[in-house]
Formats: sequence, C-alpha cells, structure tokens
Amino acid sequence: EAQVTQNPRYLITVTGKKLTVTCSQNMNHEYMSWYRQDPGLGLRQIYYSMNVEVTDKGDVPEGYKVSRKEKRNFPLILESPSPNQTSLYFCASREDPGTQYFGPGTRLLVL
Amino acid sequence: AQTVTQSQPEMSVQEAETVTLSCTYDTSESDYYLFWYKQPPSRQMILVIRQEAYKQQNATENRFSVNFQKAAKSFSLKISDSQLGDAAMYFCAYIGMDSNYQLIWGAGTKLIIKP
Repeated sequence: EAQVTQNPRYLITVTGKKLTVTCSQNMNHEYMSWYRQDPGLGLRQIYYSMNVEVTDKGDVPEGYKVSRKEKRNFPLILESPSPNQTSLYFCASREDPGTQYFGPGTRLLVL
Repeated sequence: AQTVTQSQPEMSVQEAETVTLSCTYDTSESDYYLFWYKQPPSRQMILVIRQEAYKQQNATENRFSVNFQKAAKSFSLKISDSQLGDAAMYFCAYIGMDSNYQLIWGAGTKLIIKP
C-alpha cells in the first residue's frame, strides 16, 4: 500500500529537549516536505527536499532542521524545542509536480 | 505573490443536498495544477480532486466535481448528495512554476452537514 508514515503520532516534551520526527514514504517520490498546521494559520511549509541531499527552506524554517540521506526518509529535527513549536506536523511526498500525499500527522506539545 | 483565496470560512448544507465551495487564485502562468483536499476531524489530509490547467474538461470524482474557470481564475468544488462523512475542512491548493512548484494553500472552508 502506497503511504507516508510518521512517527511518533503524538509527543509531549519539554523545552530544550531535542527531538526527531521521522517520515518515510514507499512511493519512490523524489520530493518530500514538512508542514505545520496551526489554528487560523492554515498549512505552512517548514522545509522541502527535491531529492537526496537537496533540501531547502520553506516559509517557517526557524528552529527546525531536516536531512535527506535516503530517498524514502525525511526526518524533522527540533534541536531545542520551544512552546511556540507546539503544533500539528505533516510530512508529505509527491511525484513532481503532481499530487501530494500526506502522512497521518504528528501532534507535538512542548511544555 | 501567488495567492489562493477561499472566501467562505464556513458553509452548511442539509444532508443529501448539493453544496459548492469557492476558490480563486492568482497566477500569471498558463500551466499549473489545482487541488481540493479534505481534512476530517481525524486531521488526515485527503486528496479529493485535482485539475490540470491545460485540461478544459472539469475533473470529476464520484459525487465531487469542479467548475474550473481558467480565465476567471476560479476553481469551485461541488459536492452532490452531501453525506455526514463529508463534514470536514476543505482546502484549495495551487502549484505551478511561479510558486517554484511549492503548494500554495487557501485558508480552508469548514463544511457542516446537517442531518
């Protein structure tokens, strides 16, 4: 089954404790991206990757890091999380420039 | 800058009736893609329908169809025979060369289905 998986689905952490949200897709897509969704602000892109070892900033990259060492994986790293990073996070992949497929989302709460 | 506008923050419809959600966008390109995504209470983002701008024929997926007016830069979604499971946030999105092939999202329309 074609899918994008994210882990964990839910995470509660404390300010400053590094965390990684994993994302994996099994569709051999070159393009992957991360979004955050906040009430009233819609979906905002954090980072995207056009291919292995190629990443670029989206609209709200501050406080986040990504890496793309393999085509299927695109982890999101928060080196020092802060409460304003409490949000719902989505990973997505797509055939370029077609339909984007989303992961199930990760709810993050930073205390 | 490219923008996608959904002017209806919330819409409601009686079960089994038809509802149309509006979306307009701004672009100078002639070749691009448009999408409608649905986000139910589970928060999963689900593709409803997509339209390639070079196609004159409006896309249709079962009870979902679009009215694509390229000159007017309008891309409305019609849901026929509304069902309770259609209750969700609906997002319109655009992608094209002028957006550097990044999705540009509308703010969303919350659809309420009245039983």
